[in-house]
Amino acid sequence: SQQGEEDPQALSIQEGENATMNCSYKTSINNLQWYRQNSGRGLVHLILIRSNEREKHSGRLRVTLDTSKKSSSLLITASRAADTASYFCATDNTDKLIFGTGTRLQVFP
Amino acid sequence: GAVVSQHPSWVICKSGTSVKIECRSLDFQATTMFWYRQFPKQSLMLMATSNEGSKATYEQGVEKDKFLINHASLTLSTLTVTSAHPEDSSFYICSARGGVNSPLHFGNGTRLTVT
Repeated sequence: SQQGEEDPQALSIQEGENATMNCSYKTSINNLQWYRQNSGRGLVHLILIRSNEREKHSGRLRVTLDTSKKSSSLLITASRAADTASYFCATDNTDKLIFGTGTRLQVFP
Repeated sequence: GAVVSQHPSWVICKSGTSVKIECRSLDFQATTMFWYRQFPKQSLMLMATSNEGSKATYEQGVEKDKFLINHASLTLSTLTVTSAHPEDSSFYICSARGGVNSPLHFGNGTRLTVT
């Protein structure tokens, strides 16, 4: 399977804490993307990092990419209860997007 | 931002019937649309990639005669689940993008229940 692996599978934290999710993949990529999914809904695009980039920020989100290790991380700082959702990385090799296994994040108020 | 509309949002059908799901890009032209399937608490599994005006490319293990995909225009792709069975019950999500290195925009998904 080409599917990437994410860890942890589930993460529970208190509001205000930081949440870090990791993604590992197997193939070469054009870019890597992170998405969020609320239960039973479609996905919302969070951030895209190209293969020649190492770090990217967007608001409270920070994404890193290490192509030599074929891994990426998503950091959510100062988490809020509204951040509770599933988070997926997805690798893009131009012709299709393959999703990782996902991390279920629960943020307690 | 770019909007993808998926319809219906949920459908219940009897075993043996066919169900059509529509995916429309509302404010951009989608050269490529993707269809995913998601089981509860699992990730999205790519079923097929459809390019406007050509046959869809199916992932390994996906029956093309069972999951018919038509991408007749730059704004519409349809997935038809033919002769549905209870094991086809799942959450089906479409996505679309306008070009290479563009993020995907997702529909809100269709929950199919086959009784």
